[in-house]
Amino acid sequence: EVQLVESGGGLVQPGRSLKLSCAASGFTFSDYNMAWVRQAPKKGLEWVATITYDGSSTYYRDSVKGRFTISRDNAKSTLYLQLDSLRSEDTATYYCAREGPTVTTFFDCWGQGVMVTVSS
Amino acid sequence: DIQMTQSPASLSASLGETVTIQCRASEDIYSGLAWYQQKPGKSPQLLIYGASSLQDGVPSRFSGSGSGTQYSLKISSMQTEDEGVYFCQQGLKYPPTFGGGTKLELK
Repeated sequence: EVQLVESGGGLVQPGRSLKLSCAASGFTFSDYNMAWVRQAPKKGLEWVATITYDGSSTYYRDSVKGRFTISRDNAKSTLYLQLDSLRSEDTATYYCAREGPTVTTFFDCWGQGVMVTVSS
Repeated sequence: DIQMTQSPASLSASLGETVTIQCRASEDIYSGLAWYQQKPGKSPQLLIYGASSLQDGVPSRFSGSGSGTQYSLKISSMQTEDEGVYFCQQGLKYPPTFGGGTKLELK
């Protein structure tokens, strides 16, 4: 069974940092591009970042460029998101998601999500 | 960025009723469209990709269609477990963008 399990969320002050992890199982992690998608409370879905299967390329939404870093450890089947210089508008549930194996981007498996609250 | 607009924002349907949700892209996305269902307190689940391909395990009452800038999701016979919020998402260009969601309730 394909599983994605996020961890590392919590309450953090503005300007501080947090690191999220996503442990994958049930599939060959190194074969897939992976992404983080977030959802602010009572709001819609917002793509945050993607990393290619081998970690050679990364992509970010403009509002997090220079502040967030996506990375992966294929030996540990784990995806990461380093969140620096956090702002109140980063408050959201962050989902780890697997990208489907096609040319166009979609997300065929999602974790349960981890809450990040940025507040003083 | 490609803007995705869903309609309606909410609707209610009776058991067995056919439901259609619309999604419009701000430019041609060449069928690079996915649909997701999200139930309260849960993560989104993929229903349709490539505008019309049914994800494994998804009931056949769900179907997707469309081309260019106009797409739709149809539920052929509303069931209790179909309540939730539905999102469309374009995957042709970065950044991937989602529609605002359609809340579907049982009447």
